[in-house]
Amino acid sequence: AQKVTQAQTEISVVEKEDVTLDCVYETRDTTYYLFWYKQPPSGELVFLIRRNSFDEQNEISGRYSWNFQKSTRSFTFTITASQVVDSAVYFCALSGVNTGNQFYFGTGTSLTVIP
Amino acid sequence: KAGVTQTPRYLIKTRGQQVTLSCSPISGHRSVSWYQQTPGQGLQFLFEYFSETQRNKGNFPGRFSGRQFSNSRSEMNVSTLELGDSALYLCASSRGQGIMNTEAFFGQGTRLTVV
Repeated sequence: AQKVTQAQTEISVVEKEDVTLDCVYETRDTTYYLFWYKQPPSGELVFLIRRNSFDEQNEISGRYSWNFQKSTRSFTFTITASQVVDSAVYFCALSGVNTGNQFYFGTGTSLTVIP
Repeated sequence: KAGVTQTPRYLIKTRGQQVTLSCSPISGHRSVSWYQQTPGQGLQFLFEYFSETQRNKGNFPGRFSGRQFSNSRSEMNVSTLELGDSALYLCASSRGQGIMNTEAFFGQGTRLTVV
């Protein structure tokens, strides 16, 4: 079974602080994909990153960085020097090579950045 | 290029009525997936269409149906609406399926309220 767990329901940080969002997943697939999406109040899910199961290289994009650890089945997302515009709900998602484009989403982490 | 377009953005319907939601994917994308988002259940997969064929279906009653046209536009229909169908319905557009998939781009959603 595919499952994504985001244990942090809500996080509040003061602007310029770093924040890490946790994501733990379960899957029996040997090939799978992990994603992070941002959902601002407008409702649209904004794609942030896709990671393949066979690529454990960490990635940095500006203030965003992702740490994928297959051994612990985790895919964490860190925002460095947070800004008010980062306030949103962040979703981690999983799709398997055998499940087409069906995404299994976590319950999301609501991030509030206080100015 | 234009993003994923969902219409209408907001709908208010009465119990027992039916509703049709529309999704126009990104040009060149052939896969359209639909998700229901509610505060209690989170993001749940409804179904996926690829090349006018339903490829995958989530665990929803038969009142929820969909179709895809030759131009890749998709519609989903909910018949005999219930109060619990009130949700944000999100459409995702992808270029291909499975291993061909790079990432899914989401529309802003249709917020359906059933009264």
